[in-house]
Amino acid sequence: LAKTTQPISMDSYEGQEVNITCSHNNIATNDYITWYQQFPSQGPRFIIQGYKTKVTNEVASLFIPADRKSSTLSLPRVSLSDTAVYYCLVGEITDKLIFGTGTRLQVFP
Amino acid sequence: NAGVTQTPKFQVLKTGQSMTLQCAQDMNHNSMYWYRQDPGMGLRLIYYSASEGTTDKGEVPNGYNVSRLNKREFSLRLESAAPSQTSVYFCASTLFVGRAYEQYFGPGTRLTVT
Repeated sequence: LAKTTQPISMDSYEGQEVNITCSHNNIATNDYITWYQQFPSQGPRFIIQGYKTKVTNEVASLFIPADRKSSTLSLPRVSLSDTAVYYCLVGEITDKLIFGTGTRLQVFP
Repeated sequence: NAGVTQTPKFQVLKTGQSMTLQCAQDMNHNSMYWYRQDPGMGLRLIYYSASEGTTDKGEVPNGYNVSRLNKREFSLRLESAAPSQTSVYFCASTLFVGRAYEQYFGPGTRLTVT
Protein backbone atom coordinates (compact mmCIF):
# COMPACT_ATOMS: atom_id res chain seq x y z
CA LEU A 1 0.00 0.00 0.00
CA ALA A 2 1.37 3.39 -0.97
CA LYS A 3 2.07 5.58 2.05
CA THR A 4 1.67 9.31 1.69
CA THR A 5 3.35 12.19 3.46
CA GLN A 6 1.92 15.70 3.46
CA PRO A 7 2.40 18.78 5.64
CA ILE A 8 0.40 18.80 8.84
CA SER A 9 -0.79 22.37 8.38
CA MET A 10 -0.58 25.40 6.12
CA ASP A 11 -1.69 29.00 6.43
CA SER A 12 -2.73 31.31 3.63
CA TYR A 13 -4.63 34.52 2.98
CA GLU A 14 -7.68 35.11 0.90
CA GLY A 15 -6.95 35.54 -2.79
CA GLN A 16 -3.67 33.65 -2.73
CA GLU A 17 -2.88 30.44 -4.57
CA VAL A 18 -2.22 27.49 -2.28
CA ASN A 19 -0.13 24.49 -3.25
CA ILE A 20 -0.17 21.38 -1.07
CA THR A 21 2.40 18.76 -1.93
CA CYS A 22 2.07 15.08 -1.16
CA SER A 23 4.92 12.59 -1.27
CA HIS A 24 4.23 8.98 -2.28
CA ASN A 25 7.54 7.33 -3.06
CA ASN A 26 6.26 3.77 -3.37
CA ILE A 27 3.33 4.47 -5.68
CA ALA A 28 2.42 1.45 -7.79
CA THR A 29 1.88 1.38 -11.53
CA ASN A 30 -1.92 1.18 -11.37
CA ASP A 31 -2.39 3.62 -8.48
CA TYR A 32 -4.43 6.77 -8.90
CA ILE A 33 -3.83 9.92 -6.80
CA THR A 34 -6.94 11.38 -5.21
CA TRP A 35 -7.49 14.44 -3.08
CA TYR A 36 -10.37 14.98 -0.67
CA GLN A 37 -11.52 18.01 1.31
CA GLN A 38 -13.13 17.72 4.71
CA PHE A 39 -14.91 20.44 6.68
CA PRO A 40 -15.51 20.04 10.42
CA SER A 41 -18.42 17.74 11.21
CA GLN A 42 -18.80 16.63 7.59
CA GLY A 43 -17.73 13.67 5.52
CA PRO A 44 -14.83 14.06 3.07
CA ARG A 45 -15.64 15.45 -0.36
CA PHE A 46 -13.87 14.37 -3.54
CA ILE A 47 -11.88 17.23 -5.09
CA ILE A 48 -9.78 15.81 -7.90
CA GLN A 49 -8.09 12.65 -9.13
CA GLY A 50 -5.27 12.03 -11.55
CA TYR A 51 -2.87 9.44 -12.86
CA LYS A 52 -0.15 11.53 -14.51
CA THR A 53 0.71 15.03 -15.77
CA LYS A 54 -1.91 17.65 -15.02
CA VAL A 55 -5.60 17.49 -14.26
CA THR A 56 -7.81 20.55 -13.82
CA ASN A 57 -11.43 20.95 -12.84
CA GLU A 58 -13.57 23.85 -11.66
CA VAL A 59 -12.20 23.59 -8.13
CA ALA A 60 -8.50 22.74 -8.33
CA SER A 61 -5.55 21.54 -10.37
CA LEU A 62 -3.45 18.48 -9.72
CA PHE A 63 0.14 18.35 -10.90
CA ILE A 64 1.90 14.99 -11.12
CA PRO A 65 5.53 14.77 -12.26
CA ALA A 66 6.74 12.06 -14.61
CA ASP A 67 8.07 9.83 -11.82
CA ARG A 68 4.70 10.08 -9.96
CA LYS A 69 6.47 10.01 -6.60
CA SER A 70 4.77 13.22 -5.53
CA SER A 71 1.77 15.32 -6.44
CA THR A 72 0.69 18.89 -5.83
CA LEU A 73 -2.85 20.08 -5.26
CA SER A 74 -3.23 23.69 -6.36
CA LEU A 75 -6.13 25.81 -5.11
CA PRO A 76 -6.36 29.11 -7.01
CA ARG A 77 -7.38 32.27 -5.15
CA VAL A 78 -8.48 30.67 -1.90
CA SER A 79 -11.29 32.10 0.20
CA LEU A 80 -12.22 31.68 3.85
CA SER A 81 -14.52 28.84 2.85
CA ASP A 82 -11.50 26.80 1.70
CA THR A 83 -10.40 26.40 5.32
CA ALA A 84 -10.52 22.63 5.74
CA VAL A 85 -8.44 19.47 5.99
CA TYR A 86 -7.11 18.13 2.70
CA TYR A 87 -6.24 14.47 2.27
CA CYS A 88 -4.00 12.94 -0.37
CA LEU A 89 -4.66 9.26 -1.09
CA VAL A 90 -2.91 6.87 -3.41
CA GLY A 91 -4.29 3.55 -4.51
CA GLU A 92 -5.79 1.43 -7.24
CA ILE A 93 -9.14 0.81 -5.66
CA THR A 94 -10.95 2.43 -2.78
CA ASP A 95 -10.87 -0.54 -0.41
CA LYS A 96 -7.12 -0.20 -0.24
CA LEU A 97 -7.00 3.53 0.41
CA ILE A 98 -5.49 4.80 3.64
CA PHE A 99 -6.42 8.21 4.99
CA GLY A 100 -3.56 9.89 6.84
CA THR A 101 -4.02 12.89 9.11
CA GLY A 102 -4.19 15.25 6.13
CA THR A 103 -3.13 18.90 5.78
CA ARG A 104 -5.06 21.43 7.80
CA LEU A 105 -5.38 24.59 5.67
CA GLN A 106 -6.26 27.80 7.46
CA VAL A 107 -7.20 30.76 5.29
CA PHE A 108 -7.07 34.21 6.90
CA PRO A 109 -8.84 37.37 5.77
CA ASN B 1 -30.63 12.14 -5.56
CA ALA B 2 -30.10 12.10 -1.80
CA GLY B 3 -26.63 10.59 -2.25
CA VAL B 4 -25.44 8.70 0.83
CA THR B 5 -27.67 8.92 3.89
CA GLN B 6 -26.92 7.74 7.42
CA THR B 7 -29.06 7.22 10.48
CA PRO B 8 -28.97 8.14 13.26
CA LYS B 9 -26.98 11.40 13.25
CA PHE B 10 -26.15 11.15 16.95
CA GLN B 11 -26.21 8.29 19.45
CA VAL B 12 -25.16 7.80 23.05
CA LEU B 13 -24.71 4.25 24.29
CA LYS B 14 -23.71 2.72 27.58
CA THR B 15 -20.87 0.20 27.63
CA GLY B 16 -22.15 -3.20 26.59
CA GLN B 17 -25.19 -1.97 24.67
CA SER B 18 -25.65 -2.83 21.04
CA MET B 19 -26.84 -0.81 18.09
CA THR B 20 -26.93 -0.76 14.31
CA LEU B 21 -25.89 2.16 12.16
CA GLN B 22 -27.79 2.39 8.90
CA CYS B 23 -26.48 3.58 5.55
CA ALA B 24 -28.20 3.84 2.19
CA GLN B 25 -27.20 5.19 -1.21
CA ASP B 26 -29.40 5.92 -4.21
CA MET B 27 -26.66 6.20 -6.83
CA ASN B 28 -26.66 2.54 -7.86
CA HIS B 29 -23.05 2.09 -6.73
CA ASN B 30 -21.75 -1.42 -6.24
CA SER B 31 -19.16 -0.70 -3.54
CA MET B 32 -19.93 0.59 -0.04
CA TYR B 33 -17.71 1.29 2.97
CA TRP B 34 -17.72 2.03 6.67
CA TYR B 35 -15.05 4.28 8.20
CA ARG B 36 -14.47 5.66 11.65
CA GLN B 37 -12.78 8.97 12.42
CA ASP B 38 -11.41 9.75 15.85
CA PRO B 39 -10.79 13.36 16.87
CA GLY B 40 -7.92 14.96 14.94
CA MET B 41 -7.29 11.80 12.97
CA GLY B 42 -7.86 10.60 9.44
CA LEU B 43 -10.50 8.06 8.50
CA ARG B 44 -9.88 4.34 9.10
CA LEU B 45 -11.65 1.67 7.10
CA ILE B 46 -13.71 -0.75 9.20
CA TYR B 47 -15.44 -2.93 6.61
CA TYR B 48 -16.29 -2.69 2.96
CA SER B 49 -18.55 -4.43 0.47
CA ALA B 50 -17.38 -4.61 -3.12
CA SER B 51 -20.77 -5.81 -4.30
CA GLU B 52 -24.10 -7.02 -3.01
CA GLY B 53 -23.61 -10.20 -1.02
CA THR B 54 -19.92 -9.69 -0.24
CA THR B 55 -18.18 -8.05 2.70
CA ASP B 56 -14.52 -7.78 3.71
CA LYS B 57 -12.54 -6.51 6.66
CA GLY B 58 -10.69 -3.23 6.54
CA GLU B 59 -8.03 -1.86 8.89
CA VAL B 60 -10.02 -1.91 12.16
CA PRO B 61 -12.83 -4.53 12.02
CA ASN B 62 -12.68 -5.80 15.61
CA GLY B 63 -15.87 -5.17 17.56
CA TYR B 64 -18.00 -4.61 14.46
CA ASN B 65 -20.16 -6.61 12.08
CA VAL B 66 -21.72 -5.56 8.81
CA SER B 67 -24.59 -6.57 6.58
CA ARG B 68 -25.01 -5.70 2.93
CA LEU B 69 -28.78 -5.98 2.89
CA ASN B 70 -29.14 -5.16 -0.81
CA LYS B 71 -27.39 -2.95 -3.33
CA ARG B 72 -28.61 0.22 -1.61
CA GLU B 73 -28.06 -0.55 2.05
CA PHE B 74 -25.01 -1.38 4.16
CA SER B 75 -25.39 -1.53 7.95
CA LEU B 76 -22.78 -1.56 10.70
CA ARG B 77 -23.50 -3.28 14.01
CA LEU B 78 -21.81 -2.86 17.37
CA GLU B 79 -22.70 -5.95 19.40
CA SER B 80 -21.23 -4.78 22.72
CA ALA B 81 -20.20 -1.14 22.64
CA ALA B 82 -16.99 -0.02 24.34
CA PRO B 83 -15.73 3.50 25.13
CA SER B 84 -12.94 2.97 22.57
CA GLN B 85 -15.66 2.93 19.90
CA THR B 86 -16.56 6.53 20.58
CA SER B 87 -16.02 8.11 17.19
CA VAL B 88 -17.66 9.57 14.12
CA TYR B 89 -18.73 6.89 11.67
CA PHE B 90 -18.90 7.61 7.95
CA CYS B 91 -20.46 5.49 5.27
CA ALA B 92 -19.35 5.86 1.66
CA SER B 93 -20.04 4.45 -1.76
CA THR B 94 -17.88 4.46 -4.87
CA LEU B 95 -18.51 5.25 -8.50
CA PHE B 96 -16.06 3.54 -10.85
CA VAL B 97 -15.38 5.07 -14.26
CA GLY B 98 -13.02 2.79 -16.09
CA ARG B 99 -10.02 2.50 -13.80
CA ALA B 100 -10.76 5.80 -12.08
CA TYR B 101 -13.08 6.07 -9.10
CA GLU B 102 -14.83 8.66 -6.96
CA GLN B 103 -15.99 8.06 -3.42
CA TYR B 104 -19.08 9.73 -1.96
CA PHE B 105 -19.44 10.09 1.80
CA GLY B 106 -22.45 10.40 4.04
CA PRO B 107 -22.84 13.06 6.75
CA GLY B 108 -21.66 10.80 9.56
CA THR B 109 -23.01 9.35 12.80
CA ARG B 110 -21.55 10.71 16.01
CA LEU B 111 -21.40 7.93 18.56
CA THR B 112 -20.49 8.32 22.21
CA VAL B 113 -20.06 5.28 24.45
CA THR B 114 -20.04 5.99 28.17
